[in-house]
Formats: sequence, structure tokens, C-alpha cells
Amino acid sequence: AQSVAQPEDQVNVAEGNPLTVKCTYSVSGNPYLFWYVQYPNRGLQFLLKYITGDNLVKGSYGFEAEFNKSQTSFHLKKPSALVSDSALYFCAVRDRLTGGGNKLTFGTGTQLKVEL
Amino acid sequence: SAVISQKPSRDICQRGTSLTIQCQVDSQVTMMFWYRQQPGQSLTLIATANQGSEATYESGFVIDKFPISRPNLTFSTLTVSNMSPEDSSIYLCSALGRDNQPQHFGDGTRLSIL
Repeated sequence: AQSVAQPEDQVNVAEGNPLTVKCTYSVSGNPYLFWYVQYPNRGLQFLLKYITGDNLVKGSYGFEAEFNKSQTSFHLKKPSALVSDSALYFCAVRDRLTGGGNKLTFGTGTQLKVEL
Repeated sequence: SAVISQKPSRDICQRGTSLTIQCQVDSQVTMMFWYRQQPGQSLTLIATANQGSEATYESGFVIDKFPISRPNLTFSTLTVSNMSPEDSSIYLCSALGRDNQPQHFGDGTRLSIL
């Protein structure tokens, strides 16, 4: 079985400061990992993915995430937050070994609030 | 990346009625999925829509309540049948092009049942 944990319901950060949104995962084999962002009244928008290769993955809008196999984590980061980054962020995992029918398992989401 | 259009974007329905949600992808995709999301909460997978065959439902979801069609590689529908207030939710369609690619999502259908 695969699962994702996002331990923080909300993260508050001042504009211009670095931000981190945490994610840990559990899979039987090796993971495919994804981050999505959801703005009000919109669907989920893909930010970045880890499939294989470099542990540091760069994505859209200046976001990046670091895959840490020993800690089973995939934290989302941005060096300098913008007010427009305020949104709901989801981490998702798929077990590469089992395939799982290509089904994603999502975390519970973290609301990011960036303030002036 | 695939562009996914969902219709309607929102609706208010009477208890006991049914609503069909349409999902159109601008390119052929291998897999399509339907999710349910309570506002501000996580996504729950309802089913995988299989082209030319019956959908694969997740635990807790049944075909009689959520019939799904996928007549070709770019289109799917989800029907929410015999609706009750507990069905008030956001319904999201997603599509997957290739195995190691991300799923892409439509903007969702916001459904309220009176």
C-alpha cells in the first residue's frame, strides 16, 4: 500500500522569505513523487515530479523539491515566497514497482499563506 | 501537457435527481480518472475510466451510484445518480498520457444538492 503524509495543515511565511512544505511517503518499491498546487475554484496544477536521477527537482514558478530516500521525504521549497504563492499544496505518490494501475495517492494538503 | 475541460463547472441539483459531468481532453490519453474532493480537503479516487470497457471502481464507490463512460481516448463522463446532500462535493477529472508523466486535472465540477 502507498501513503503520503503532509504533517502541516497550514504554513505561514512572510513574502521574500524561503518556504518549505513538508511531505513524507510510504511505498513498497520505488516512488514516483509529485507536487500539485490548487488555487480557489480551480483544479490541481502540476508543479514538479521526481521519477529518477537527481534528488533535487526543479519545477514551475521557482519551486523545487528534494527527494530523500533515507528519510522517505519529498519536501517542497522555494527560496523567496510571493503573496501569489498562497494556495493549497498537495503531495502525491505512486509506487513504481506495483504500478497500482497508475493510481496516485494524495496527502491531505497544506494551505500556504504568504503575507506581506 | 494535456488540456482538460470539464462541464458543467458548477450546478445546484435537487435531491433524487442525477447529473452527468463531461470531461474532454485535447489529446489522446492512456488513462482517465475521476476524483471527489470536499472543499479544502484531499482527493479521493472514485474510479479509473477504461476505454471501451467498464470502469474500475475504488472501495466504497459502486457503478449504480457513479456510472462512468469512456467511449474513446479523449472523452469520459461521470454520472452522480439519485443525489443526496452527502454528494455535495467537487468532482475532478484527470488524464494520464504516459506511464511516468504526471496526471493533469480539469478545473472540477462544484456540485451542491438541496
